[in-house]
Amino acid sequence: SSELTQDPAVSVALGQTVRITCQGDSLRSYYASWYQQKPGQAPVLVIYGKNNRPSGIPDRFSGSSSGNTASLTITGAQAEDEADYYCNSRDSSANHLVFGGGTKLTVL
Amino acid sequence: EVQLVESGGGLVQPGGSVRLSCAASGFIFSNYNMNWVRQAPGKGLEWVSHISRDSNTIYYADSVKGRFTISRDNAKNSLDLQMNSLRDEDTAVYYCAREGDNSGARDYWGQGTLVTVSS
Repeated sequence: SSELTQDPAVSVALGQTVRITCQGDSLRSYYASWYQQKPGQAPVLVIYGKNNRPSGIPDRFSGSSSGNTASLTITGAQAEDEADYYCNSRDSSANHLVFGGGTKLTVL
Repeated sequence: EVQLVESGGGLVQPGGSVRLSCAASGFIFSNYNMNWVRQAPGKGLEWVSHISRDSNTIYYADSVKGRFTISRDNAKNSLDLQMNSLRDEDTAVYYCAREGDNSGARDYWGQGTLVTVSS
């Protein structure tokens, strides 16, 4: 199985732009999906596919991918965006799923 | 409204068994693949198992293969996870999650049920 690597913690000033990255060999073949999780709550899907947002997700969330790296960008971060963010993709076998270790986003 | 409600968690001794259930509503359950994902206390998300809409395709994480069994009953709109030979490291909140038809991503999650393996 393959791994997805994320920075453990990232911070951003209120209203500024932040990029959260996810690296892994399987990302050369498969898109990542991104999940937001706030304390005590279930994860919520925020980005999937090339750059798609589920209904209800603000358009300040966007996704991109290049080579073995997928990125989640929040343009104009809000206080309510403070959360843990996880990337998720298939592993190289395509039968298993793998999650990144998560990035804790702090909005200053 | 899509709803997924897990049940069955609790305290179980090492080596013991427990069966989790997930009741689905608000969508045509038989049209969607389903997954179990877990999260140990203070840790990240870990995929556990996948079952296709017709139960013909099933996958497990290496960490649970041979000990856990996923199943579904489309007539009852329910998803189960039978967990045997439990270990301390299986202690986690277990989430059921729907796999989006177009996205392939986990588009809806339940609130989770906590399984604690301890003597």
